Amino acid sequence: ELKVEQNPLFLSMQEGKNYTIYCNYSTTSDRLYWYRQDPGKSLESLFVLLSNGAVKQEGRLMASLDTKARLSTLHITAAVHDLSATYFCAVNFGNEKLTFGTGTRLTIIP
Amino acid sequence: DAGVTQSPTHLIKTRGQQVTLRCSPKSGHDTVSWYQQALGQGPQFIFQYYEEEERQRGNFPDRFSGHQFPNYSSELNVNALLLGDSALYLCASSLRQLEAFFGQGTRLTVV
Repeated sequence: ELKVEQNPLFLSMQEGKNYTIYCNYSTTSDRLYWYRQDPGKSLESLFVLLSNGAVKQEGRLMASLDTKARLSTLHITAAVHDLSATYFCAVNFGNEKLTFGTGTRLTIIP
Repeated sequence: DAGVTQSPTHLIKTRGQQVTLRCSPKSGHDTVSWYQQALGQGPQFIFQYYEEEERQRGNFPDRFSGHQFPNYSSELNVNALLLGDSALYLCASSLRQLEAFFGQGTRLTVV
């Protein structure tokens, strides 16, 4: 079965702190995507990771992909309130569709 | 570039009715996928259209059907609506299997 699991499901962190969201998937893939979703809104593309060892950074967010471990991480540095949202990873298992993780609801506390 | 546009943005229907949702892909994109996102969950793949054909389908009943037009726009039809069909319906467009861009979604409420 093609599965994508994220943890934690809920994350409450203080401004200025660092944290990592983990995304594990069940079988081989070298195409992984991270999205952000604000309440009631659509999905905003954050990162596209297309090869083993890929690392991408945008502002306080950095994403990486380890295809051998079937693991991607989304690292948040010095969190600010504007980063509060739900974050999804999604995997293309080569079957022309995206399989999404459960999402991580991130709340940044002042 | 207007990006992916969906209509309507919100819709309320009664159980048993039928609904049609519409999607215009991003300029230059030829592939349209539809996803259902229930409250508090991740999006679930419904189906994908390419060259006016359904190329891939998720685990959704035949009540869910779609169409792609020559201009690459797409429709999602749901017949015999159930309360459980209440969700955010997202359309994503891409150029073949490259990065997917999502529309703002249609919030369907079935009462």
